[in-house]
This record gives sequence, C-alpha cells and structure tokens, in this order.
Amino acid sequence: DAGVIQSPRHEVTEMGQEVTLRCKPISGHNSLFWYRQTMMRGLELLIYFNNNVPIDDSGMPEDRFSAKMPNASFSTLKIQPSEPRDSAVYFCASSPTGMVTEAFFGQGTRLTVV
Amino acid sequence: AQRVTQPEKLLSVFKGAPVELKCNYSYSGSPELFWYVQYSRQRLQLLLRHISRESIKGFTADLNKGETSFHLKKPFAQEEDSAMYYCALSSRGNTGKLIFGQGTTLQVKP
Repeated sequence: DAGVIQSPRHEVTEMGQEVTLRCKPISGHNSLFWYRQTMMRGLELLIYFNNNVPIDDSGMPEDRFSAKMPNASFSTLKIQPSEPRDSAVYFCASSPTGMVTEAFFGQGTRLTVV
Repeated sequence: AQRVTQPEKLLSVFKGAPVELKCNYSYSGSPELFWYVQYSRQRLQLLLRHISRESIKGFTADLNKGETSFHLKKPFAQEEDSAMYYCALSSRGNTGKLIFGQGTTLQVKP
C-alpha cells in the first residue's frame, strides 16, 4: 500500500480563488482526518470522518471551508474563497479504527495563497 | 478543556547530549498519549505511544499522571534525530480525534 496519498503536493493560488485539496486514504481504513499545520498554531484538527460520515467538524475555521467524503477511498477539502491566512500545510490522515489508536498521515499539501 | 502544551518551539543540543522534549496535557479523563515525528520533507509519523511502553530509536516517554506530563527522552542525541516532534492526546469515546501540541523542533548539532 502506498499509504495516504494527497494531491497536489504544492498549490499556489491567488486570493479569492477556489482551492480543492484531495486525499486518498489507506484501503480498508474507516476513519479519515484533515489537519492544518501552521507555524503559529501547530497541527489543528479541521474535521474527521468515520465510515464516510463527518463526525466532528468543529475545527473547520469558517464557512469558506468544506469537506466531503463521497466514498471510502476519496475525500476533498475545499476553500472558497481562499485568503492569504489560509496558507498552511494541510495533512490528511487515515486510521483503521473508528477511534484513534494509530493514524497514518499523508505527506501534506502546502498551500500558498497570495 | 483538552489541551496539549509543548513549551519549547526549538530545542538545540549537541550530538551525544541527552534530550528531553517536554509535553504537558490537560484532560479530564484517562488520556492516550502519543509522540509523532516529522523529518524534513517527510510525512508525519507515529514515533511511540504511552500504552506500548516501548523504546523507538532510543526514545522513551513515560506518562506521569500526577504532573500531567509525557516528556520524550533520549540519553544520547544523534544528528538524524533532528526533526519536528509533536506530542498528541487522544480523546477516548466516540470522538477519537488526536489533539496535537504546537510541536518542538529538535536540532542536533555535530
């Protein structure tokens, strides 16, 4: 298994544009997490899914952010419209259990909004 | 409130020196604690967890419930240990999410 796969690895976009980040979890894992990493705040949980259903989205900063998981092998995190303060590394992780005992992380998407 | 605090943003030591990365937590129940490591340009990966009581790459961490701490230690640092280290707490129950500290960059100088 190639692990958790995120795309793109790097994204540079202009303020106001829509950005879509993609994640393919490890096959068979039933939990998926989206994290944001910034210098100021470290790693923050944005949202997590269990069996494709969003369980906790309390970390989503505002309505500009949305996440979907249409099936067990794919998830997206969308920012519309994007702002410079959204610049960060966004990590996706998946776990084989509904409760976190071990999460495997993707390599992240570095987003720069100019 | 559930919180993980890593008081040091940067820890710089010489090769062969002991290392202690501090982690304190705030949690009302019985937590599960983890240490994650992120080497330069690599993905975040699990280093160790307190329930395993294991030593990975020479690192150990003991959960001290009295002091609500889970410090990461290594007696002799190596240059390849240079990385970002995150302490994380798992909330039990149905939430199952990981709460991370802000991370500590460990720099091991030759």
